[in-house]
Amino acid sequence: QVQLLESGPGLVKPSETLSLTCTVSGGTVTTGGYYWSYIRQHPGKGLEWIGYIYSYGGTHYNPSLKSRVTISVDTSKNQFSLKLTSVTVADTAVYYCARTIISGTSSLLDYWGQGTLVTVSS
Amino acid sequence: EIVLTQSPGTLSLSPGERATLSCRASQSVSSNYLAWYQQKPGQAPRLLIYGASTRAIGIPDRFSASGSGTDSTLTITRLEPEDFAVYYCQQYDSSQGLSFGGGTKVEIK
Repeated sequence: QVQLLESGPGLVKPSETLSLTCTVSGGTVTTGGYYWSYIRQHPGKGLEWIGYIYSYGGTHYNPSLKSRVTISVDTSKNQFSLKLTSVTVADTAVYYCARTIISGTSSLLDYWGQGTLVTVSS
Repeated sequence: EIVLTQSPGTLSLSPGERATLSCRASQSVSSNYLAWYQQKPGQAPRLLIYGASTRAIGIPDRFSASGSGTDSTLTITRLEPEDFAVYYCQQYDSSQGLSFGGGTKVEIK
């Protein structure tokens, strides 16, 4: 059973960089055919995809966040990480990581982390 | 940019009733790339349906989906108490990546 667990600071100051790590167990980030995504959810709102990384390091980001987002993978630790720069209060949200499948026949996020609330405040 | 619009925003129904949720895309999307999720308060979303109509592992058969082109429909044939939640559709586009609809809340009437 694949499990994902987000970790990182719950409080970030405005203009600083939000950094989160997602640790994968029960599977490996290097397994072919899987992408690894971050998604966020503003309080009381819907889901917003942030971006994903493929096992070899290829990435795809939401165009609306692309200038501030970097997703990287650490295969030695079986983790992938999110960095979001120049945060504002509008970046306050629950952040999820999820295993993602995109193939010729489907796109889906089948395993999700529990989510972690990140608050941007001075 | 493909925008997914879900309707209604809120659906008020009683247990045992049928729920019909709509997801409309601003332009045609491949039905292969359409998925549905259920989210309960304080929990991560759970995959229900992918490839437009394939149920994920462990999802009961009262959940079904259909559609093509710009319209997709999620149907819950007989609402159980545990089905009251928020439902999201999701699509993939090679240029913009993944995106979600705004969600439909199914609440107890």
